[in-house]
Amino acid sequence: DTAVSQTPKYLVTQMGNDKSIKCEQNLGHDTMYWYKQDSKKFLKIMFSYNNKELIINETVPNRFSPKSPDKAHLNLHINSLELGDSAVYFCASSRGLAGGHEQFFGPGTRLTVL
Amino acid sequence: GNSVTQMEGPVTLSEEAFLTINCTYTATGYPSLFWYVQYPGEGLQLLLKATKADDKGSNKGFEATYRKETTSFHLEKGSVQVSDSAVYFCALREANFNKFYFGSGTKLNVKP
Repeated sequence: DTAVSQTPKYLVTQMGNDKSIKCEQNLGHDTMYWYKQDSKKFLKIMFSYNNKELIINETVPNRFSPKSPDKAHLNLHINSLELGDSAVYFCASSRGLAGGHEQFFGPGTRLTVL
Repeated sequence: GNSVTQMEGPVTLSEEAFLTINCTYTATGYPSLFWYVQYPGEGLQLLLKATKADDKGSNKGFEATYRKETTSFHLEKGSVQVSDSAVYFCALREANFNKFYFGSGTKLNVKP
């Protein structure tokens, strides 16, 4: 059983388009995250939701809008895609606030903007 | 503020060599510390963790000890294999906070 799943795995699109990436976790976790990984493997936190409430909102262009319909899902919508948005986007989840709990990552969505 | 610094790669070793990847951290509280591994084309997977000072995390022959006095969590393995080739990330999470802080990743190449 896949713990954290993302769709699609690959996304190739033109500049200016709008696209969405979906994430689902079946671990019963309260908290979900979106990360962006660049070509040098640097991992940057974008957003985090805890029980459907936005708790982390890093410096991200407002073209990026997360949405959490329930605590098992966190989707990412991107408007007016730019070349610099090309990256691998990872969804992750973790249990609540206790510090010892690790994150579980999805397999990633490779976004290529042409 | 919180941050994680790990040695830059790539690190290239021959099979059966000893591995050390250095990781130091800055934290305002009492964090838990993690090592994650990312194989090519995959997401990050937890390799090991330690939740308090002097704890040793271990898994698949890898070990790391939480050293509060030196604020370090260095990853070690006595004998690496070609299959260990991957990118390794050190990370911390403070208690009662949901945010994780990741190092920049260290790529390990193991040659036969």
